[in-house]
Amino acid sequence: NAGVTQTPKFRVLKTGQSMTLLCAQDMNHEYMYWYRQDPGMGLRLIHYSVGEGTTAKGEVPDGYNVSRLKKQNFLLGLESAAPSQTSVYFCASRPRTVGNTGELFFGEGSRLTVL
Amino acid sequence: AQSVSQHNHHVILSEAASLELGCNYSYGGTVNLFWYVQYPGQHLQLLLKYFSGDPLVKGIKGFEAEFIKSKFSFNLRKPSVQWSDTAEYFCAVNEINFNKFYFGSGTKLNVKP
Repeated sequence: NAGVTQTPKFRVLKTGQSMTLLCAQDMNHEYMYWYRQDPGMGLRLIHYSVGEGTTAKGEVPDGYNVSRLKKQNFLLGLESAAPSQTSVYFCASRPRTVGNTGELFFGEGSRLTVL
Repeated sequence: AQSVSQHNHHVILSEAASLELGCNYSYGGTVNLFWYVQYPGQHLQLLLKYFSGDPLVKGIKGFEAEFIKSKFSFNLRKPSVQWSDTAEYFCAVNEINFNKFYFGSGTKLNVKP
């Protein structure tokens, strides 16, 4: 039972390069999220999706794009990486439930360094 | 926008000491509340959650939390910590009619053996 899988786990980029992080979940969850984790700042929501073909902005969306072409996948793209995007990125998913009570299930994280 | 405050950024305890970590949120409507734990080098895992009913909820590994609506608080407690509880703890809130989760800045717990 894989749950939420993120690839790659580690990546080093130079400023201005582009890359895509892939998140895949096998739990048939409707909702998917991308967070970044920085020391002392907790988790901040970048973008999220409430279903296939839909995306929405979170707290810190600038410099990122996302796509959800398939229900099980949620891609996070950096078109032109900046050092400020050095962070650990977590993908999460959760099921649609009555009262929105479903908890988030997290992937293992992707550590990105931008030089 | 919703905000979640965790006032204790770093807590150091000896084994068998009692733990209480504070969490306050700003939203006045109906919310669901969560505590997550992140062990070193790992992803976040759910400790417990509250969405209705008894305001005292019990989670895994002997943790519990109490929801006090009048204080907008959801504090995490454990009567006797172990070295293996060394981790970072995050409080999270989501409003029942919205899909965003808001996280606190986290509390690092260091338990000395």
